[in-house]
Amino acid sequence: SQQGEEDPQALSIQEGENATMNCSYKTSINNLQWYRQNSGRGLVHLILIRSNEREKHSGRLRVTLDTSKKSSSLLITASRAADTASYFCATDRGDYKLSFGAGTTVTVRA
Amino acid sequence: ETGVTQTPRHLVMGMTNKKSLKCEQHLGHNAMYWYKQSAKKPLELMFVYSLEERVENNSVPSRFSPECPNSSHLFLHLHTLQPEDSALYLCASSQVGQSSYNEQFFGPGTRLTVL
Repeated sequence: SQQGEEDPQALSIQEGENATMNCSYKTSINNLQWYRQNSGRGLVHLILIRSNEREKHSGRLRVTLDTSKKSSSLLITASRAADTASYFCATDRGDYKLSFGAGTTVTVRA
Repeated sequence: ETGVTQTPRHLVMGMTNKKSLKCEQHLGHNAMYWYKQSAKKPLELMFVYSLEERVENNSVPSRFSPECPNSSHLFLHLHTLQPEDSALYLCASSQVGQSSYNEQFFGPGTRLTVL
């Protein structure tokens, strides 16, 4: 069953701008993960944040997690054309099954 | 090869055909997954093999049949499919256990079209 829901569904930004997308979920989790998918390809793992963490950075990515609100955000700073992709959050409840949302499609305009 | 590979990358089949999708992981993981991705829908988990246990999504029709002969290989056998089964089928693997966080590594997918 779907656990994570991303918002917005689509996002269009200018190169160099920041992109922010949000994920909400319904039940308690062990960790939350963000993945990227280029058109018609497999998903690539970007970053994982554990339930006892509030913020995590990886390169130009910043992820926050608010377990009280059951929400997470992914920020991509200084976007590039290569960041054009769909981004998915996935929640792990500790039963080795990830639940994915429908994704946010990000388009970075040159 | 490294990572997770899938063959074929594209498959067109009629509703009466029988075909198989193959997935191989070279990461030493102990869990493998099949997902179905349809347009504008969340990834749908179909099957999981973890620690030699198969976890099956009850809503998966019997025309999809998984096979996991060992921890590195996973197959999805297809027979008498319907046009609505056309989708991107993704295989993934991960390391599950007490000190693991189930980060999943995906293959490139098989684009399946059922005529």
